[in-house]
Amino acid sequence: EDQVTQSPEALRLQEGESSSLNCSYTVSGLRGLFWYRQDPGKGPEFLFTLYSAGEEKEKERLKATLTKKESFLHITAPKPEDSATYLCAVQGNQFYFGTGTSLTVIP
Amino acid sequence: GAVVSQHPSRVICKSGTSVKIECRSLDFQATTMFWYRQFPKQSLMLMATSNEGSKATYEQGVEKDKFLINHASLTLSTLTVTSAHPEDSSFYICSARVSNNQPQHFGDGTRLSIL
Repeated sequence: EDQVTQSPEALRLQEGESSSLNCSYTVSGLRGLFWYRQDPGKGPEFLFTLYSAGEEKEKERLKATLTKKESFLHITAPKPEDSATYLCAVQGNQFYFGTGTSLTVIP
Repeated sequence: GAVVSQHPSRVICKSGTSVKIECRSLDFQATTMFWYRQFPKQSLMLMATSNEGSKATYEQGVEKDKFLINHASLTLSTLTVTSAHPEDSSFYICSARVSNNQPQHFGDGTRLSIL
């Protein structure tokens, strides 16, 4: 059965404290894995697409990586403005969202 | 690029009213548009998928006569909540994509409150 699991559910970091968010997936025929950021009361904002194992994408303090079973979103030296919910989604035969990781960065 | 505009951002209306929400892809043509509902502190729940010129495909448990979806062009889809009741109050979000190996791009959502 296809599924997407994100961990941890919530993460509190001190400003500057680097960490990683995990997205584990089981899906038939992966066509793409997507990372989004969602702020309260807003729609998800697209961050990255990853298509194949070994692929990496970077944008400012964020770096996304992909293996055959999971993806990581690495956050380097986070700032308070990085606080948000980060969602992972996969496209196989259907599109599946994970439940998200709520990140809080404390000044 | 890849901007999706959703309107209105907030609606407050009386029970029994029908409410229409618009979703437009501003700078790309979307072969497929999606409608989601999101409850507080939960992830997005897919309601329906629509392809331009075709009838929408609804997820299990979503009443198609309650939530009318029209995808009249490659840049516009509408969701009409018919005879809305307080239990329909929620955050509705649309998305659009070019093809099925491309990301979905989301609107900013519509907060619907039925009194």
